[in-house]
Amino acid sequence: QKEVEQDPGPLSVPEGAIVSLNCTYSNSAFQYFMWYRQYSRKGPELLMYTYSSGNKEDGRFTAQVDKSSKYISLFIRDSQPSDSATYLCAMRSGGSYIPTFGRGTSLIVHP
Amino acid sequence: SAVISQKPSRDICQRGTSLTIQCQVDSQVTMMFWYRQQPGQSLTLIATANQGSEATYESGFVIDKFPISRPNLTFSTLTVSNMSPEDSSIYLCSVDTGARREAFFGQGTRLTVV
Repeated sequence: QKEVEQDPGPLSVPEGAIVSLNCTYSNSAFQYFMWYRQYSRKGPELLMYTYSSGNKEDGRFTAQVDKSSKYISLFIRDSQPSDSATYLCAMRSGGSYIPTFGRGTSLIVHP
Repeated sequence: SAVISQKPSRDICQRGTSLTIQCQVDSQVTMMFWYRQQPGQSLTLIATANQGSEATYESGFVIDKFPISRPNLTFSTLTVSNMSPEDSSIYLCSVDTGARREAFFGQGTRLTVV
């Protein structure tokens, strides 16, 4: 079992839909959780950063962490074609500077 | 945040040759990393580039194949040596910075070995 599991998709949704992207993990030491967006032929861009359990909202994006279930989510409201990209989850423990990444989920938002 | 310039952005190379990728950061950073991203796979850490000392390589990666330089706190290079088609991948430079130690990435170098 990999430390971080993420469905590669692709996930195809119509414009305006609410998108839910998820990752599960096995390492209970993970405390910091991140979501990156990666457009084709670009490097990953940090979208959301959360510590421990709970929710964090930034505009149309909401990151949710459930440490008891070892499950994290990224919700995108009112999705736009410009949201079409690969979304990578990443997480690390408090004692490490190096995150562990999921495989990424390819999201396609069609007009 | 940090602005990271990576070059070249892409290259097509002959097998058996070497390519050096450069990473320049707009501010001094303690930690610089090199990753490989293969299609459909998660980012794989190659090594941590240490300023003033030898890089720290992850399991499966060796200095002879991926020599790394880190002459100062804003610059690093990764060389992919004696390339084969299996080295075709995206190579990414990353730094972590700030109190939250967030990881930031360059644009990546898309390498194709023919």
